[in-house]
Amino acid sequence: SYELTQPPSVSVSPGQTASISCSGENLGSTNACWYQQKPGQSPVLVIYQNAKRPSGIPERFSGSKSGNSATLTISGTQAVDEADYYCQSWDSSTLVVFGGGTKLTVL
Amino acid sequence: EVHLVQSGTEVKKPGESLKISCRGSGYRFDTYWIGWVRQMPGKGLEWVGIIYPGDSDTRYSPSFQGQVTISADKSISTAYLQWNSLKASDTAMYYCARQDSSGLVYWGQGSLVTVSS
Repeated sequence: SYELTQPPSVSVSPGQTASISCSGENLGSTNACWYQQKPGQSPVLVIYQNAKRPSGIPERFSGSKSGNSATLTISGTQAVDEADYYCQSWDSSTLVVFGGGTKLTVL
Repeated sequence: EVHLVQSGTEVKKPGESLKISCRGSGYRFDTYWIGWVRQMPGKGLEWVGIIYPGDSDTRYSPSFQGQVTISADKSISTAYLQWNSLKASDTAMYYCARQDSSGLVYWGQGSLVTVSS
């Protein structure tokens, strides 16, 4: 089955840049999305179609994709950005696939 | 404004049946796919499956095929996720979400299912 691989955890100091990677075979031919989930809350879409931000998402969130890898970048990371982040794409059957999630810690 | 409102917390025993719901409002319910996502305690997001309420076209993740049933009643703008015989391993938070061309933009608040003897 198709898998998306993310690092389990990433740490960043306040004000610095955090990068979270996501790799998967199908990413070269499909779009990637990113979701933020804080404890006790539903996930929130922060990046879609690899690099677009939904309205209301701060400009410090950006996304990129190259080959079979996608990256979520948070510039000027704030304490409020501490959360779990999930990448998401689609497999060859157009079913949704999630990455395993990355816990972002703002030290 | 788009809203997805899910049914509440459920506590069940192994072997019991259950049907949880997700009601959409603020948009035409039968023209967007609605998916279900499982999140087991302390774990990540898992895709269960998806339904198009317009014609009830339903697709399941291989891991959940045969384990659950997804359905929808477009007349009341509601999608469902059901189990015929619950197991302790079904204990999780279940989210519904609307799939747009952008991704899963709108999410329900989650339905907590606890299965314990």
